[in-house]
Amino acid sequence: GQSLEQPSEVTAVEGAIVQINCTYQTSGFYGLSWYQQHDGGAPTFLSYNALDGLEETGRFSSFLSRSDSYGYLLLQELQMKDSASYFCAVPQGGKLIFGQGTELSVKP
Amino acid sequence: DARVTQTPRDKVTEMGQEVTMRCQPILGHNTVFWYRQTMMQGLELLAYFRNRAPLDDSGMPKDRFSAEMPDATLATLKIQPSEPRDSAVYFCASGLDGSYEQYFGPGTRLTVT
Repeated sequence: GQSLEQPSEVTAVEGAIVQINCTYQTSGFYGLSWYQQHDGGAPTFLSYNALDGLEETGRFSSFLSRSDSYGYLLLQELQMKDSASYFCAVPQGGKLIFGQGTELSVKP
Repeated sequence: DARVTQTPRDKVTEMGQEVTMRCQPILGHNTVFWYRQTMMQGLELLAYFRNRAPLDDSGMPKDRFSAEMPDATLATLKIQPSEPRDSAVYFCASGLDGSYEQYFGPGTRLTVT
């Protein structure tokens, strides 16, 4: 089977840096995805890491360590609009298995 | 720009009634997914199609749920009979086979009383 663990909630202040961790246990691993979901909205794709290391896209970066079965999403220069839920997900047989999500609250 | 559409956006119905949710995937996408989201269970995969063929519906209660793709532009999810525990947001997503990016529709918020 497969499982993904991420913190249920994280709080940070505007302008700060926050890291959302994800550990996974899967039978067969191809990569780790991250999705963002604002309250009342649809999940939207943020990033995908197939190889170890850091991938940067603007203020957001995603990291993967396959040997540690661990990844994280790094959000820099936090803005109020970054308040949302963030899900890590792994592809399995053509579909995605999602973690339970981390609710990020950005305070002024 | 291209996006997944879902209808209806909101549905309130009484227990025992049939509910049909519709999804139009992005033109050219050949994979379609149905998810259910609740506070308790998070995002659960209900069904998955590739090139209109059902590949995995193991997450779906078989006795009351059914998912179909009558053609490449329409996917449907039916619940008959509906029960209060089916109350959730149902998302449809589409993508390209081999890509790890899925595009989600706005969801159908279902309330069964």
